[in-house]
Amino acid sequence: DVKVTQSSRYLVKRTGEKVFLECVQDMDHENMFWYRQDPGLGLRLIYFSYDVKMKEKGDIPEGYSVSREKKERFSLILESASTNQTSMYLCASSYEPYEQYFGPGTRLTVT
Amino acid sequence: AQSVAQPEDQVNVAEGNPLTVKCTYSVSGNPYLFWYVQYPNRGLQFLLKYITGDNLVKGSYGFEAEFNKSQTSFHLKKPSALVSDSALYFCAVRLTSGTYKYIFGTGTRLKVLA
Repeated sequence: DVKVTQSSRYLVKRTGEKVFLECVQDMDHENMFWYRQDPGLGLRLIYFSYDVKMKEKGDIPEGYSVSREKKERFSLILESASTNQTSMYLCASSYEPYEQYFGPGTRLTVT
Repeated sequence: AQSVAQPEDQVNVAEGNPLTVKCTYSVSGNPYLFWYVQYPNRGLQFLLKYITGDNLVKGSYGFEAEFNKSQTSFHLKKPSALVSDSALYFCAVRLTSGTYKYIFGTGTRLKVLA
């Protein structure tokens, strides 16, 4: 079974802190994705990566950056956390161009 | 702008009755289409997909979906609902021109009543 793991299930950070969310997949997938999920808004794509060191902006990249140094690992970075970044963050991976496999999510609260 | 619409925030259905969760899309080209389900406090799980071929696709847990190109729709169906089907359902499209992006709908909460 494909496994996508995320570094934390729950995280509480203060405004202005730098936050790292890590995602690891074990199925050698080329593509990896970061979404945020908010009630009534569904999943919105922040960034995705289709190869190591390659990244592309999604629909809401402002305030975020990403890093993919190894194929299995995709990190989301909040450079200076703000309260409007309080959300559920979901990581996913896929073989191109098929279904995505999701991690359990990280619920981030910024106070 | 390219988009996916799930017109119903919530669908209620009695156990044993057929269910339909609607999805329409407005994107360029011929996208790939997906349905996912999210149970409480869990990540999304893949249910089924349409890439090409037969317009009726079958997936996990007895679900199926019908692709209609002229109506740009991909409705999720199940002949007989179970209480355990109660969850949040997301429709998604994978764009096929210019980008590898997926676009998700806003989700439909399905409530199956005993």
